Amino acid sequence: GQQVMQIPQYQHVQEGEDFTTYCNSSTTLSNIQWYKQRPGGHPVFLIQLVKSGEVKKQKRLTFQFGEAKKNSSLHITATQTTDVGTYFCAGPTGTASKLTFGTGTRLQVTL
Amino acid sequence: DTAVSQTPKYLVTQMGNDKSIKCEQNLGHDTMYWYKQDSKKFLKIMFSYNNKELIINETVPNRFSPKSPDKAHLNLHINSLELGDSAVYFCASSQDKGLDSPLHFGNGTRLTVT
Repeated sequence: GQQVMQIPQYQHVQEGEDFTTYCNSSTTLSNIQWYKQRPGGHPVFLIQLVKSGEVKKQKRLTFQFGEAKKNSSLHITATQTTDVGTYFCAGPTGTASKLTFGTGTRLQVTL
Repeated sequence: DTAVSQTPKYLVTQMGNDKSIKCEQNLGHDTMYWYKQDSKKFLKIMFSYNNKELIINETVPNRFSPKSPDKAHLNLHINSLELGDSAVYFCASSQDKGLDSPLHFGNGTRLTVT
């Protein structure tokens, strides 16, 4: 079936280091959404990308949608402990047009 | 002023029991969802309702039955609970069934079946 994979599964960085998670879909996506889930919390919507090659920034976070609209990335510059959590990408897949979540990347940040 | 609220937050029960989880949203959204998050954090859609009508029904055992009395509520009833049902269940809503609307999630219900 259609899948949305993310790498890495887990990353541990020291505060101040950069972090990137990559999202890859087996099919072309009409849009890609990103969510953050803090430990013990629920997924919270961060951003949506729609156009091929689109880049959006939110403070230290940079989101990119690939030219072929099959991949996306989230880059965090100078991580802080508040960035800890699991980051999910999500895109519409299938004939039922359901939002399929990626496998997630768990980020741990230590001082 | 909670946007998407679900109850209970924790549910511990024995195998074979029947339990329900309730969800309500006050955002005026047309579409509501149930997602299951397993121990590996994978988020999988189970059901989706749009204006009380079932629009997505993934491959979920018949023991799971959603009910939407109105577009602001989507409840989940589970019969004959099994160990493998242990997970966190998230309710969510979106403005419409179009997939360019962000999802707003509830706080989750952690179900533990013993």
